[in-house]
Amino acid sequence: GQQVMQIPQYQHVQEGEDFTTYCNSSTTLSNIQWYKQRPGGHPVFLIQLVKSGEVKKQKRLTFQFGEAKKNSSLHITATQTTDVGTYFCAGPPGGYQLIWGAGTKLIIKP
Amino acid sequence: SAVISQKPSRDICQRGTSLTIQCQVDSQVTMMFWYRQQPGQSLTLIATANQGSEATYESGFVIDKFPISRPNLTFSTLTVSNMSPEDSSIYLCSVATGPNEQYFGPGTRLTVT
Repeated sequence: GQQVMQIPQYQHVQEGEDFTTYCNSSTTLSNIQWYKQRPGGHPVFLIQLVKSGEVKKQKRLTFQFGEAKKNSSLHITATQTTDVGTYFCAGPPGGYQLIWGAGTKLIIKP
Repeated sequence: SAVISQKPSRDICQRGTSLTIQCQVDSQVTMMFWYRQQPGQSLTLIATANQGSEATYESGFVIDKFPISRPNLTFSTLTVSNMSPEDSSIYLCSVATGPNEQYFGPGTRLTVT
């Protein structure tokens, strides 16, 4: 079945350093979505990418969708403590359901 | 987007008992989903709650264990039946208001002793 792989599982950064998480799908995706889950919270929708090669920015966050629509990345520039949480990618195998990546936990070193 | 509430927010239950979790949405939505999330893990889809018909369950989840109701377009319940400690988890409902993006309730943290 379709799988969405996400790496790394954890990333420890100093505040002010950059952070990147990567997603790879076993099949071509019609779109890919990114969610953020704060500690103790629920997943919150961040963005959806639909077009091949699409790049979208939200302040310090940059989202990319690969040319083949099988991979995606999220890059955060100059991390802040408010960025702490787990970032998930998710893609639809068809219909309204989503296949979720394992998530990347962003940890800010004290 | 949609505002989603869940009740209860947490519960501690004894094995062998059942718990019903409620999910209320502030607007009518077609698609509602129930997920399970173990601490530190990703989300696992339990089922899609269909209004006016039986829920559609994912592999590994059965109606006898996780009966779902969807009486209208703003409300759904998930029951965790005959609980065991392995059912301890966070249960999340979500809705899809557009093409695929989902919005989640705050979750129900269940501990089975």
